[in-house]
Amino acid sequence: NAGVTQTPKFQVLKTGQSMTLQCAQDMNHNSMYWYRQDPGMGLRLIYYSASEGTTDKGEVPNGYNVSRLNKREFSLRLESAAPSQTSVYFCASSTWWTYEQYFGPGTRLTVT
Amino acid sequence: AQSVTQLDSQVPVFEEAPVELRCNYSSSVSVYLFWYVQYPNQGLQLLLKYLSGSTLVKGINGFEAEFNKSQTSFHLRKPSVHISDTAEYFCAVSNPETSGSRLTFGEGTQLTVNP
Repeated sequence: NAGVTQTPKFQVLKTGQSMTLQCAQDMNHNSMYWYRQDPGMGLRLIYYSASEGTTDKGEVPNGYNVSRLNKREFSLRLESAAPSQTSVYFCASSTWWTYEQYFGPGTRLTVT
Repeated sequence: AQSVTQLDSQVPVFEEAPVELRCNYSSSVSVYLFWYVQYPNQGLQLLLKYLSGSTLVKGINGFEAEFNKSQTSFHLRKPSVHISDTAEYFCAVSNPETSGSRLTFGEGTQLTVNP
């Protein structure tokens, strides 16, 4: 039982490049989330998926897209990376009845 | 919409001293409350949660928190800290009626335990 896994762990991009962050969970959770963490700002929700087949914007969705590929996988895409997207990105999953979110180890992204 | 304020960005303490990390929230409706811990270069893990029932909630690693509805607070406490408690702590709130299981996080409190 690996919990929530994220790939890659580290990534450096040039401005304008694109990339996809991958997330998978093996806990049969319905809901999945993408957050970004910046110093002094806590975690901010980018997008979430309440269940397979649905996605919704969170607090800071601009510059990102997501895909809920199936119940296990939820990917985050940066189409044209900007230095302001330099951050640590966390994926999480939860069941709706416990409200407890389980987090992956994070992806540290630097955009130069 | 709900919001969370963690009143201290950094809390330095000595080993075996008690500690309190303060969290206030604002919401016009009933909320669920959480404390998460993040060790360096790791993801977040749940310390404890309040959904309903007793206002004193016990969590892992000897931490506890008290839900105070009149003061809209959910402060985290530990009577005697260890070096290994050094980490960043996040308070979070969820409004199940309007936002389901989505969480709003505070800015975090860095707890540093010194020998």
